[in-house]
Amino acid sequence: GQNIDQPTEMTATEGAIVQINCTYQTSGFNGLFWYQQHAGEAPTFLSYNVLDGLEEKGRFSSFLSRSKGYSYLLLKELQMKDSASYLCAVGSGGYQKVTFGTGTKLQVIP
Amino acid sequence: DVKVTQSSRYLVKRTGEKVFLECVQDMDHENMFWYRQDPGLGLRLIYFSYDVKMKEKGDIPEGYSVSREKKERFSLILESASTNQTSMYLCASRPTDVGQTQYFGPGTRLLVL
Repeated sequence: GQNIDQPTEMTATEGAIVQINCTYQTSGFNGLFWYQQHAGEAPTFLSYNVLDGLEEKGRFSSFLSRSKGYSYLLLKELQMKDSASYLCAVGSGGYQKVTFGTGTKLQVIP
Repeated sequence: DVKVTQSSRYLVKRTGEKVFLECVQDMDHENMFWYRQDPGLGLRLIYFSYDVKMKEKGDIPEGYSVSREKKERFSLILESASTNQTSMYLCASRPTDVGQTQYFGPGTRLLVL
């Protein structure tokens, strides 16, 4: 089976930096995804990590440590529109099944 | 742009009814998925399909079945709807290449009375 843990809620201030952590246990790991989901909308892709290290994409960065079963999403220069849920998802198995964590609801305050 | 469409945004059905949720993708993706999303439980995989007429159970297949007769279309069937199947249902598709993201449809909010 798989187990993915991430905090339920976080609050951060506009312009600040926030780090959302995700830990996982899985067999046949073949990558970790981060998605953003605004209320009432479908998830949209943010990042993918399969090798250890940091992937940077504009204001968003994602880090992976496979040996520790750990990832984080780093959001810089927070904007009000970043208020959303952030979903950690792990790919595994030959058919590349993707399993999602329960998501972290981020509230950005002025 | 990849487009994944779902047949309905909102649906109200009665307990015991047979319910069909349709999903269509236009990017020739091999893999298609059905999830349900509930508060506090996140996205849970019901079924997925990696090819026409092929299907695999996800984490919560009980009470559901699926059909994939054509590559672009993946249907979720609730044989006899129950109130605990009230949920948001999300369809997704992705190509086979490792590392490719899933593309989600807009979702169907189903209410079973």
